[in-house]
Amino acid sequence: GAVVSQHPSWVICKSGTSVKIECRSLDFQATTMFWYRQFPKQSLMLMATSNEGSKATYEQGVEKDKFLINHASLTLSTLTVTSAHPEDSSFYICSARVLGMNTEAFFGQGTRLTVV
Amino acid sequence: AQSVAQPEDQVNVAEGNPLTVKCTYSVSGNPYLFWYVQYPNRGLQFLLKYITGDNLVKGSYGFEAEFNKSQTSFHLKKPSALVSDSALYFCAVRPNQAGTALIFGKGTTLSVSS
Repeated sequence: GAVVSQHPSWVICKSGTSVKIECRSLDFQATTMFWYRQFPKQSLMLMATSNEGSKATYEQGVEKDKFLINHASLTLSTLTVTSAHPEDSSFYICSARVLGMNTEAFFGQGTRLTVV
Repeated sequence: AQSVAQPEDQVNVAEGNPLTVKCTYSVSGNPYLFWYVQYPNRGLQFLLKYITGDNLVKGSYGFEAEFNKSQTSFHLKKPSALVSDSALYFCAVRPNQAGTALIFGKGTTLSVSS
């Protein structure tokens, strides 16, 4: 299957700093990428849908000024957690899909963010 | 509201026995259905999908799932479980609309004992 690479796989940062997470589709072009957040022993919660060349669509309750998403190319989307706080500590996962309606989504390895 | 239900938090089976992980959904129209597996601190790996056609779908690692439209279910099955199958399994649906994200169930932890 298609490969989605997410980097870094884990990061520890201080409160108040910003962290950028990258999501790359390595062998296909992804017009749409999705960012999820996963709490321990819970399901994935969709944060936002990212379309190449346009503004991301955020889910209700997700602060767009805090979680900045950029999808500048068909193979790269970034999520920047700005002014991070301990409550932002979580597992963040991106996914990407190839063109077409019936294709499955491919997921990155996830990023474990710990804010201290 | 559209949703996916995985009624069991955990399923325990002995190695060599058949396993079933249950999933039901509430989505309008004819959705696309998926199963993913997640190992600790890893992303999700695709197992199988149902789009249309035969109700029994075969996927990776010997897993299969049966789509039942009348019961709005998509249970994951495997005839003979392996200890290495122990992981967190997610059922997901995508409404039949372009650009829509997956809706996930809460996940079911499968534990296979030797």
